Amino acid sequence: QSALTQPPSASGSPGQSVTISCTGTSSDVGGYNYVSWYQQHPGKAPKLLIYEVTKRPSGVPNRFSGSKSGNTASLTVSGLQAEDEAEYYCNSYAGSNSLVFGGGTKLTVL
Amino acid sequence: EVQLEESGGGLVQPGGSLRLSCAASGITFSKHWMTWVRQAPGKGMEWVANIKADGSEKSYVDSVKGRFTISRDNAKNSLYLQMDSLGAADTAVYYCARGYCSDVICYMSAMDVWGQGTTVTVSS
Repeated sequence: QSALTQPPSASGSPGQSVTISCTGTSSDVGGYNYVSWYQQHPGKAPKLLIYEVTKRPSGVPNRFSGSKSGNTASLTVSGLQAEDEAEYYCNSYAGSNSLVFGGGTKLTVL
Repeated sequence: EVQLEESGGGLVQPGGSLRLSCAASGITFSKHWMTWVRQAPGKGMEWVANIKADGSEKSYVDSVKGRFTISRDNAKNSLYLQMDSLGAADTAVYYCARGYCSDVICYMSAMDVWGQGTTVTVSS
């Protein structure tokens, strides 16, 4: 049950795209198509952005997209906006009804 | 409005116990997986435990197995976390979160509604 690896920080200018990675193992990210991504603003509860690697719940802008290759999942935020500045977390199903989270990535909009 | 509200946090001495509650309103609580997630000060999120919609399956992170017990009362739209033998490493904000249900399937791996959290501090 080791945490997934995310870069501690990422940044981009308004209008640009930024991609955040989430690396696990064949026992979690690589073994299942159940990766989710969350956005958390300071002092707020997390918000679900992506589920099942690529799917967006209703109401989430299509500027947010997810993908996966091998043991690494990625979240891409396109057309960066100031309000996208937040902490982003991934999580993956890890078998036996267990979950594992990434350490989080702080996204700064320059 | 869909809402989850945690309660029961506080300051407890090492070795002590706390029982967290999570009250759901405005949602069909009984068909969703429910999960407890914690966030230690300045740290990332950590999955703690989850429970299937009907309560028949429960899972825990290794660090809390044998000390924490998750339960639910669907008649009361409530989720609980009994925490025993608490230690400093359990100090965190504890969130309850609802598993997301699409039109087709309910997930335990994606949480679409989160409470605001309740703070647990373990200290002498």
